[in-house]
Amino acid sequence: QVHLVQSGAEVKKPGSSVKVSCKASGGTFSSYIVNWVRQAPGQGLEWMGRIIPVLDIANYSQKFQGRVTITADKSTSAAYMELNSLTSEDTAVYYCARGAVGAPDDYWGQGTLVTVSS
Amino acid sequence: EIVLTQSPGTLSLSPGERATLSCRASQSVTSNHLAWYQQKPGQAPRLVIYGASSRATGIPDRFSGSGSGTDFTLTISRLEPEDFAVYYCQQYGTSPRTFGQGTKVEIK
Repeated sequence: QVHLVQSGAEVKKPGSSVKVSCKASGGTFSSYIVNWVRQAPGQGLEWMGRIIPVLDIANYSQKFQGRVTITADKSTSAAYMELNSLTSEDTAVYYCARGAVGAPDDYWGQGTLVTVSS
Repeated sequence: EIVLTQSPGTLSLSPGERATLSCRASQSVTSNHLAWYQQKPGQAPRLVIYGASSRATGIPDRFSGSGSGTDFTLTISRLEPEDFAVYYCQQYGTSPRTFGQGTKVEIK
């Protein structure tokens, strides 16, 4: 059984950056895609980007292009999402999820609450 | 990108009743790569249906999915208390993956 364990909640100032980690236990990211999805309070799910760890290739939603960086460490089965130039509108729960090309996101992390406040 | 529109926004039903949720895509979903997720408050989404009609591991058979192309349906044949939640459809056939805005199934 694969478990994705994310880093803990963060409180950030406007203009700063946040880096959220996602580590797989009971499995690896080999041959999979790691997607990052966020959910603002009371809102729906929004795809931010993805990485294919075995190829070290990342793709991003146009909405976040230039502000988000997704990386992975194959040796530790960990993925990271860094978001820059934070504003209050970035306050949300950020999820990592394991998927594959042509496959849904079958395992999700527990979510990381990022609060942006002055 | 493919826009998914879910209806209704809220479904008020009683336990034991049948729930029918709709998801319409702005263009055809590649290979019917359409999933449904269930989300309860404070929890991560949970995969319910993939490939439009295949149940994910551990999902009871009261959940069924149907549809193809641009129109998809999630049916819960008899609602159990644990089924009251928000349901999202997602297309994963074309990048970027996109989600519908969700349908809340609430207790009437």
